[in-house]
Amino acid sequence: IAGITQAPTSQILAAGRRMTLRCTQDMRHNAMYWYRQDLGLGLRLIHYSNTAGTTGKGEVPDGYSVSRANTDDFPLTLASAVPSQTSVYFCASSEGGSSGANVLTFGAGSRLTVL
Amino acid sequence: GQNIDQPTEMTATEGAIVQINCTYQTSGFNGLFWYQQHAGEAPTFLSYNVLDGLEEKGRFSSFLSRSKGYSYLLLKELQMKDSASYLCAVMDSNYQLIWGAGTKLIIKP
Repeated sequence: IAGITQAPTSQILAAGRRMTLRCTQDMRHNAMYWYRQDLGLGLRLIHYSNTAGTTGKGEVPDGYSVSRANTDDFPLTLASAVPSQTSVYFCASSEGGSSGANVLTFGAGSRLTVL
Repeated sequence: GQNIDQPTEMTATEGAIVQINCTYQTSGFNGLFWYQQHAGEAPTFLSYNVLDGLEEKGRFSSFLSRSKGYSYLLLKELQMKDSASYLCAVMDSNYQLIWGAGTKLIIKP
């Protein structure tokens, strides 16, 4: 089934630890995104990639890094986790381009708790 | 600043009609999206409006007025499975999506 796979589904992490959330898509979409979703707030963009080899900062990039070595994979790394990074993280992809009809397909999410 | 406003929570009865409103103030406009998100699941695409007017898709319709910075999602013949959060998002002049906090819709039998 075509779509986006995220791992892990959930994780409890000690503050200060390094963590990588994995995201893989098989739709050959150009653009990929990482969002965090917190209660009472809209989805907030962390980082994005318009095409393989390029990345950009979103609304809340501090404390996170990404890479896009190929079309399919877009891992998100927390170098030194802090409790404020406790959230649900969604990876998404789209065909991209400068078109308003840029529909996102989301992964199932990764629930991260930092203690 | 950029802002998307939608009600936090709404309650409706099975079989009825409900309208979820969304108002926005953004730097430019390149379309408005509605997504549905069931509890504990990923958002899924419902509709896209870029021109004024009503777009109908089965039981769901979405309306846009660009001059008023306003949209609504209309759900007809409500079913229990429609209980979910509905997210409004606007694509700004830089083709970045600005998201509302979502409206939690509770359907009662």
